[in-house]
Amino acid sequence: SQKIEQNSEALNIQEGKTATLTCNYTNYSPAYLQWYRQDPGRGPVFLLLIRENEKEKRKERLKVTFDTTLKQSLFHITASQPADSATYLCALGLNSGYSTLTFGKGTMLLVSP
Amino acid sequence: EADIYQTPRYLVIGTGKKITLECSQTMGHDKMYWYQQDPGMELHLIHYSYGVNSTEKGDLSSESTVSRIRTEHFPLTLESARPSHTSQYLCASSDLSDYGYTFGSGTRLTVV
Repeated sequence: SQKIEQNSEALNIQEGKTATLTCNYTNYSPAYLQWYRQDPGRGPVFLLLIRENEKEKRKERLKVTFDTTLKQSLFHITASQPADSATYLCALGLNSGYSTLTFGKGTMLLVSP
Repeated sequence: EADIYQTPRYLVIGTGKKITLECSQTMGHDKMYWYQQDPGMELHLIHYSYGVNSTEKGDLSSESTVSRIRTEHFPLTLESARPSHTSQYLCASSDLSDYGYTFGSGTRLTVV
């Protein structure tokens, strides 16, 4: 069955460092992958989308890579700030406007001052 | 301002009651979704819709129903609430391309 794996343990880093979060998947051939941020008690907020034919995408301090051979995406936050502390979810979608996203459990990021 | 709204924000209700969770969006999105999320767990798709008069079941659709009579409105109904329905319910919308979803703030449901 399809499976999305994100680190279940929280990632603790110091302010100013680069945070790297991992999303691995099995039994899946996604056409694109998305990353979301979720704060406690709130709905997820869309951050970035990367397609299967793209290796890397950047947006301000965020960078996402997508390796379809390794079946893995890495999500980087450079110059991290305490305000970046949240849970980050990856989600996979198929190549159809009528598909739905499948979400991972997310990884909690804690950035300390 | 374009947004997606869920009401109520919190709901405590007795077992056996019928409840409707409301979701409205002002972005004109064709696709809308309902997800269920327990603490620390992934989002599970309950129902989704491609547009008016279109509804589809997700992985976790039993015991609930949805309707899509207007583009902007996608309510979720539990005919008979049970303690196992205690969870956070998230509504989302997107257009027909593969852009990101816009989520509401969620309804935290507790069935006692």
